[in-house]
Amino acid sequence: GENVEQHPSTLSVQEGDSAVIKCTYSDSASNYFPWYKQELGKRPQLIIDIRSNVGEKKDQRIAVTLNKTAKHFSLHITETQPEDSAVYFCAASNDMRFGAGTRLTVKP
Amino acid sequence: GAVVSQHPSWVICKSGTSVKIECRSLDFQATTMFWYRQFPKQSLMLMATSNEGSKATYEQGVEKDKFLINHASLTLSTLTVTSAHPEDSSFYICSARPGSPATQYFGPGTRLLVL
Repeated sequence: GENVEQHPSTLSVQEGDSAVIKCTYSDSASNYFPWYKQELGKRPQLIIDIRSNVGEKKDQRIAVTLNKTAKHFSLHITETQPEDSAVYFCAASNDMRFGAGTRLTVKP
Repeated sequence: GAVVSQHPSWVICKSGTSVKIECRSLDFQATTMFWYRQFPKQSLMLMATSNEGSKATYEQGVEKDKFLINHASLTLSTLTVTSAHPEDSSFYICSARPGSPATQYFGPGTRLLVL
């Protein structure tokens, strides 16, 4: 199965700054890369996803970039706000194994 | 968006008893459902993948006789924790997917405490 590694495990930024979380994957056949946000005690919520036929996707303050050659993809959050504070998970392919997660803290 | 429900939301049971957790896709047919376990401050660990009408595929290290999964219809999957022990206490969460590749939608989770 797919092996997904996620970095960093924790990230603290000042409100208004940008945050970047990176994931690498092992299976070159993987073709679907979602990012989920999980607030404490709640279910993960899909925030953005990308398929292997595109290199970048953007939705307001959130963007995801994909480098198929290097087998890594990244989540970019611009103009961070305190409500962005949560744990973010990446996944690759269809067997839906998640990375270890990144705890993002946005300081006001 | 698609809605997935999970029941019960929390359960406390005595050691040795069995607990059944239901996962339902309310407004779509889920060809595949996933079961995860999440310990505090840790990631979602995939336990098994189930496809409607067939046996579940378990991840390495997950005992299929202890964690029974039944995906009897396109809208319902159940996870039964048999002979539960305190170390089984965790947050169990399911997800459902209408096709492949496709977004998966998570249930609200079930918090299990085994005394």
